[in-house]
Amino acid sequence: NAGVTQTPKFRILKIGQSMTLQCTQDMNHNYMYWYRQDPGMGLKLIYYSVGAGITDKGEVPNGYNVSRSTTEDFPLRLELAAPSQTSVYFCASSYQAEQYFGPGTRLTVT
Amino acid sequence: QQPVQSPQAVILREGEDAVINCSSSKALYSVHWYRQKHGEAPVFLMILLKGGEQKGHDKISASFNEKKQQSSLYLTASQLSYSGTYFCGTEIGGSNYKLTFGKGTLLTVNP
Repeated sequence: NAGVTQTPKFRILKIGQSMTLQCTQDMNHNYMYWYRQDPGMGLKLIYYSVGAGITDKGEVPNGYNVSRSTTEDFPLRLELAAPSQTSVYFCASSYQAEQYFGPGTRLTVT
Repeated sequence: QQPVQSPQAVILREGEDAVINCSSSKALYSVHWYRQKHGEAPVFLMILLKGGEQKGHDKISASFNEKKQQSSLYLTASQLSYSGTYFCGTEIGGSNYKLTFGKGTLLTVNP
């Protein structure tokens, strides 16, 4: 089992560009989450999903979009990247309470 | 609202004990604890459900006082491997495991 995988590991974007962060899990978990982590601020929930076709906003959804067409995949889309979106992004999945995190994507917007 | 963790940072010598606190202004259904080592992803430690339950994981245990909306994480006889940032995540009932995380407590264990 690979667990939760995320691509890319690192990315530099110019202001106004768009990109998709990929997240895939092979544990057949229904719940999936996207977080961003800024230094000293903890993890902030961007979006989450309770199953294929169902998504909902977290604390900080502005500037992001998600889709969940399959159980395995939960991509995060950034439209019109802004410097405030510079962060480390973690995807996670869970069957119930215990969340399994991917290795993260470090994104810099300049 | 983000739960408040204290202390922000703590430095221990190997074998010493530590307590990390997490408090919320909202009524909680559960509290989750995670540890994150530098440059790595967070790793689940334990979950506490309302009812004042106490759990243990090796020499790490935790309690949850639902009336006070507080949880504490106890690290006993600390080991070098305990170093990292500890996060509490709080869940309000019926929220599909949607967690709000505190800012974290940086624990450093020195030889």
